Amino acid sequence: GAVVSQHPSRVICKSGTSVKIECRSLDFQATTMFWYRQFPKQSLMLMATSNEGSKATYEQGVEKDKFLINHASLTLSTLTVTSAHPEDSSFYICSARWGGRNEQFFGPGTRLTVL
Amino acid sequence: DAKTTQPPSMDCAEGRAANLPCNHSTISGNEYVYWYRQIHSQGPQYIIHGLKNNETNEMASLIITEDRKSSTLILPHATLRDTAVYYCIVRGNTGANSKLTFGKGITLSVRP
Repeated sequence: GAVVSQHPSRVICKSGTSVKIECRSLDFQATTMFWYRQFPKQSLMLMATSNEGSKATYEQGVEKDKFLINHASLTLSTLTVTSAHPEDSSFYICSARWGGRNEQFFGPGTRLTVL
Repeated sequence: DAKTTQPPSMDCAEGRAANLPCNHSTISGNEYVYWYRQIHSQGPQYIIHGLKNNETNEMASLIITEDRKSSTLILPHATLRDTAVYYCIVRGNTGANSKLTFGKGITLSVRP
């Protein structure tokens, strides 16, 4: 299957700071990328969908000004958690899909801990 | 709002076949059945998907009933590394239906 990478794999930050997470599709061009969040012992929750060159579409209840998504190229999307608070501590997972294929491939996830 | 229901957990012996059931009684004609799995603290891994015909790949087989209201994922020879949460997901091809919406999945424990 196609490879999706995320960086960093783990980050610890202080409350009030901003954190940027990168998601890259390594061997294909991702026309659509997705960001999910997963709290302990819970399932993945879709946060937003982004198409290259367009503004992201956020799911209900997800603050677009807090979770900034940029999908500037066909191989890179970034999620910035602004003014992070302890309740933002979670496992953030990106996913990528390209036109003409039904499979959607996931990155390894980024563990965010806000102190 | 997941469109599938799965038992919360099951186990099987190493080397035996693991048959994971999924109900999707409200599936529409243009919606596919997808299976992913998530090993602890990792991102989900694509396993297989199908529309109405049975499918097989190097990882698993997917058996979809004729009325498409249920399916079974078969891991022919389960190993300890197959211990994971398995998600059965119904997904369309366009618009809001094309999003992968995860339910609670089924936790498969493979015992030695």
